[in-house]
Amino acid sequence: DSGVTQTPKHLITATGQRVTLRCSPRSGDLSVYWYQQSLDQGLQFLIQYYNGEERAKGNILERFSAQQFPDLHSELNLSSLELGDSALYFCASSLTATNEKLFFGSGTQLSVL
Amino acid sequence: GESVGLHLPTLSVQEGDNSIINCAYSNSASDYFIWYKQESGKGPQFIIDIRSNMDKRQGQRVTVLLNKTVKHLSLQIAATQPGDSAVYFCAERAAGNKLTFGGGTRVLVKP
Repeated sequence: DSGVTQTPKHLITATGQRVTLRCSPRSGDLSVYWYQQSLDQGLQFLIQYYNGEERAKGNILERFSAQQFPDLHSELNLSSLELGDSALYFCASSLTATNEKLFFGSGTQLSVL
Repeated sequence: GESVGLHLPTLSVQEGDNSIINCAYSNSASDYFIWYKQESGKGPQFIIDIRSNMDKRQGQRVTVLLNKTVKHLSLQIAATQPGDSAVYFCAERAAGNKLTFGGGTRVLVKP
């Protein structure tokens, strides 16, 4: 167990809908990262937050947004969902903002039908 | 894909043998590398990391080797066990401090 908690584990929804994925980092970790994993794209970095502030952005679509709350948990919001958004979404956390020793949660499997 | 050029081969290994998983990277400015193991249905699990000022680092049954001259990273697993069957990813930290992951290598351990 990595100590990173993600909910829900599975999510099935329809095109055009909006969903929210939730992540609680390991105790003491200040950075939260979101990654998307699909069969053809591998692990793709979406966005990073550090102590409540956006730190870095990767290949995140404009339809997607995230935030990190004062208690350090994070949410990833995906809107106007398309079939191609179906993927595994992972949250990771680390102690610092420097992208070292990320610990991953078990992911949310999103299926857009 | 981006700079970490790990193809997606499958490595079949006899139980008890040593495994070597290779990873090529293209960004000579990368200063930190990390290996993850991902089992089916689970998230990536940290194995070992290494900074660019080191050539070798050892953990429990694992060794990471870094050859900056040819931009090559490898993970060696000693006495491979059935529980080592998984997909292994390398990642590099380059510009902007972002981690870039390779495509993964599947390791199958034969009993």
